[in-house]
Amino acid sequence: SQELEQSPQSLIVQEGKNLTINCTSSKTLYGLYWYKQKYGEGLIFLMMLQKGGEEKSHEKITAKLDEKKQQSSLHITASQPSHAGIYLCGAATSGNTGKLIFGQGTTLQVKP
Amino acid sequence: GAVVSQHPSWVICKSGTSVKIECRSLDFQATTMFWYRQFPKQSLMLMATSNEGSKATYEQGVEKDKFLINHASLTLSTLTVTSAHPEDSSFYICSARARTVLYGYTFGSGTRLTVV
Repeated sequence: SQELEQSPQSLIVQEGKNLTINCTSSKTLYGLYWYKQKYGEGLIFLMMLQKGGEEKSHEKITAKLDEKKQQSSLHITASQPSHAGIYLCGAATSGNTGKLIFGQGTTLQVKP
Repeated sequence: GAVVSQHPSWVICKSGTSVKIECRSLDFQATTMFWYRQFPKQSLMLMATSNEGSKATYEQGVEKDKFLINHASLTLSTLTVTSAHPEDSSFYICSARARTVLYGYTFGSGTRLTVV
């Protein structure tokens, strides 16, 4: 079965600093999703990547998928306290029509 | 955009009773719905996948008789936790997927279940 390894598991950064979260799959990714969650609440969709080498940005968050489609990174530029939360990468199985499984998550704290 | 409504947002029940959680897709037809469980400070663990009109497919280690899933229509799936015990206390969250790629996976806001 497919497994997702997410790193780091937790991260504390000073406001204004950049940071990167990584997500590595044991198999080729058909679709890679990034979500943000505050514990006990629903998931907020950030970005979806499907093509090798694809890169998407929204405000200060950039997500990339490597050419081999087994690794993705989420980069936050000039972090703010509003970026704090749990970041989850999810992989779609079976050609992007199947179930979505998640990595362990990365808890981000941003110190003012 | 796609919206999934999940109810209740929280519930407290007595040990031994059953609790039903609803997940509705409000503006699209959800051909597939997923149910996840999340423990404190952990990620989402997929419990089961349900397709409209079919029996749910459960992940390894998830008790079918404990967690009953019904997906009777294209807009509604329910999860019933039967004979709940304190160890069933958790955060449960559903996700719905339409036939087309357009909507991706849309998540409900989750249900916090506490069994006392």
